[in-house]
Amino acid sequence: ETGVTQTPRHLVMGMTNKKSLKCEQHLGHNAMYWYKQSAKKPLELMFVYSLEERVENNSVPSRFSPECPNSSHLFLHLHTLQPEDSALYLCASSQEAREGYEQYFGPGTRLTVT
Amino acid sequence: AQTVTQSQPEMSVQEAETVTLSCTYDTSESNYYLFWYKQPPSRQMILVIRQEAYKQQNATENRFSVNFQKAAKSFSLKISDSQLGDTAMYFCAFMQRPSGTYKYIFGTGTRLKVLA
Repeated sequence: ETGVTQTPRHLVMGMTNKKSLKCEQHLGHNAMYWYKQSAKKPLELMFVYSLEERVENNSVPSRFSPECPNSSHLFLHLHTLQPEDSALYLCASSQEAREGYEQYFGPGTRLTVT
Repeated sequence: AQTVTQSQPEMSVQEAETVTLSCTYDTSESNYYLFWYKQPPSRQMILVIRQEAYKQQNATENRFSVNFQKAAKSFSLKISDSQLGDTAMYFCAFMQRPSGTYKYIFGTGTRLKVLA
């Protein structure tokens, strides 16, 4: 396994619930990312953090709210989600938030919105 | 807008044989990076190989090599001596940062099955 962990691994939530996804990296990296992976669709980059500062937000609905308290931890707060938000949410980290660096991925959280 | 196209949703190859996965991309920029990532069943995505666009030499990593054709905007992955452990989804990815905006674009993936 890589040095990026995600919890929970599976989550089922109703549309009115509030939940959070957690990601932790043990690699000493300065950049962290959230991706959405849906079946038969490309990975969608949602958020990019560099040194705890959000540097990219790819037009993600406000029902997804990221938080990066330090360079090792990343959260994705969820509220009033829609069924189409059901997907695998992947966290990744890289040494720097620059295009040449390899990203290290976590195992993902499988989210089902009912 | 930048795009990445993987035209082969599924492929299979006999163990010990060679297989090539295709990837094309579209960009107007000259400086960028290309990657192949592998996602085994129920396991984490890992990097297979990385190519810098300004380097003409094709990248190689043991049994994995790429055929990078910059003018044609093509970046195929060749797997030699295929092994059962190569069974996975393979994603081609394009990364650059024009004008300060981060662009990380992935293809839809190719599901490769290595047959015993």
